[in-house]
Amino acid sequence: GAGVSQSPRYKVAKRGQDVALRCDPISGHVSLFWYQQALGQGPEFLTYFQNEAQLDKSGLPSDRFFAERPEGSVSTLKIQRTQQEDSAVYLCASSFPGRDTQYFGPGTRLTVL
Amino acid sequence: LAKTTQPISMDSYEGQEVNITCSHNNIATNDYITWYQQFPSQGPRFIIQGYKTKVTNEVASLFIPADRKSSTLSLPRVSLSDTAVYYCLGAGGYQKVTFGTGTKLQVIP
Repeated sequence: GAGVSQSPRYKVAKRGQDVALRCDPISGHVSLFWYQQALGQGPEFLTYFQNEAQLDKSGLPSDRFFAERPEGSVSTLKIQRTQQEDSAVYLCASSFPGRDTQYFGPGTRLTVL
Repeated sequence: LAKTTQPISMDSYEGQEVNITCSHNNIATNDYITWYQQFPSQGPRFIIQGYKTKVTNEVASLFIPADRKSSTLSLPRVSLSDTAVYYCLGAGGYQKVTFGTGTKLQVIP
C-alpha cells in the first residue's frame, strides 16, 4: 500500500478485556514506532522497533502493554486487562533506516468503558 | 532530546501568511528541526525539515537562525484547509521524539 495502515480504526472494549491493535508499515521501512495520543495532547512515544528487534520500550506505561513485530513488518500492540485510562488514539509510524521523518497511520481510537 | 516551546493557538484569516515560531534552546548539534501537521482523526503528516538557514518546499518555508535556538514555520496564503495542529520537533536520527501539545491554527474565512 501507499501508506501506513492501522486496524481496527475504532475499538470499544469493556474494562478488563484484552485488545490487539495492528499496524502495517510502508513496505521497506525498517523502523516502526507506536505512540499514544490522549485527547487534546500531542502523541507520546510508546516503543520503537528496528526490523523485528524492539530497541526501545521505555514509553510503555505498564506491563499490561506489549508490542511485537515478529517478522520485521507488521506490528501488533497488545493491551491486557484494559483500564479506562487506556482510552486514547494509538498511532503507528514507520520510517527508512537512518532517517528521522516518520510516516504515520490514521490511528486506532480505543475507548474503554 | 530537544525540548520545544510553541504557542498553544493562533488565528489567521484566509489568504494571509502565517508564521509559527518554536523555541528549542537545548537543541543538540546533530538535531534536525522537523514540523508536522495533524488534522482531526488523522496521524501527523511531515511538512518540512531543516538544520539551519532557510528551507522551502511546495507547502511551507522554515527559517532557522544561526544559533538554532528557534525556528519559524511560514505558511503562505493559508486557506481553511490549513486549519490543523502544527508540531515542532528537534531530533537527530532515531530518537524518542517528543511532540508536545503543538500549535492549533484556526483559519477564519
